[in-house]
Amino acid sequence: DAMVIQNPRYQVTQFGKPVTLSCSQTLNHNVMYWYQQKSSQAPKLLFHYYDKDFNNEADTPDNFQSRRPNTSFCFLDIRSPGLGDAAMYLCATSRVKKLFFGSGTQLSVL
Amino acid sequence: AQRVTQPEKLLSVFKGAPVELKCNYSYSGSPELFWYVQYSRQRLQLLLRHISRESIKGFTADLNKGETSFHLKKPFAQEEDSAMYYCALSGQRAGGYQKVTFGIGTKLQVIP
Repeated sequence: DAMVIQNPRYQVTQFGKPVTLSCSQTLNHNVMYWYQQKSSQAPKLLFHYYDKDFNNEADTPDNFQSRRPNTSFCFLDIRSPGLGDAAMYLCATSRVKKLFFGSGTQLSVL
Repeated sequence: AQRVTQPEKLLSVFKGAPVELKCNYSYSGSPELFWYVQYSRQRLQLLLRHISRESIKGFTADLNKGETSFHLKKPFAQEEDSAMYYCALSGQRAGGYQKVTFGIGTKLQVIP
């Protein structure tokens, strides 16, 4: 099945240790998003790509970076994770304004 | 700014009872509204969108621009409807791209 795949499902990192979360898609969609969702909160948009055009939300911390080397893959880099960055990270693609989500990566920061 | 409000974090209903999940929005332009659902241990997925004016799994939602609402309704709740429901708004941003903003979500619990 064509889909959005996120790896790993659970990621544990140490305070201040860089971590990368991965997302791939077989849908061939132009747009890819990264959302952060903390417990009992709404998914919050961090940034998105339209093809290779990168769009950062104004309130996304500089600690968060992203790369999209090709249509299929997108990465979320957290340069120096803090305890407050522990959350579920959701990757999504979109077509005709409909979002297709991955299963998410639950990040824990020790 | 665009904002989505879901006033209830938890809604418990008995099987067979009507369901209404509330959603209100704030947006200066012409919005597109969606309901997304997340069943236990599954990914977030689209349930329905207002422009389709369709009924999915017995659920309907009508956009009321006067009240800025997009409530999700079902006449008779089923146990399999138990899930997390998110209202979402897609608004036009500068540069032409669409930004999707989510509400905090309402957990629907259908009691057998």
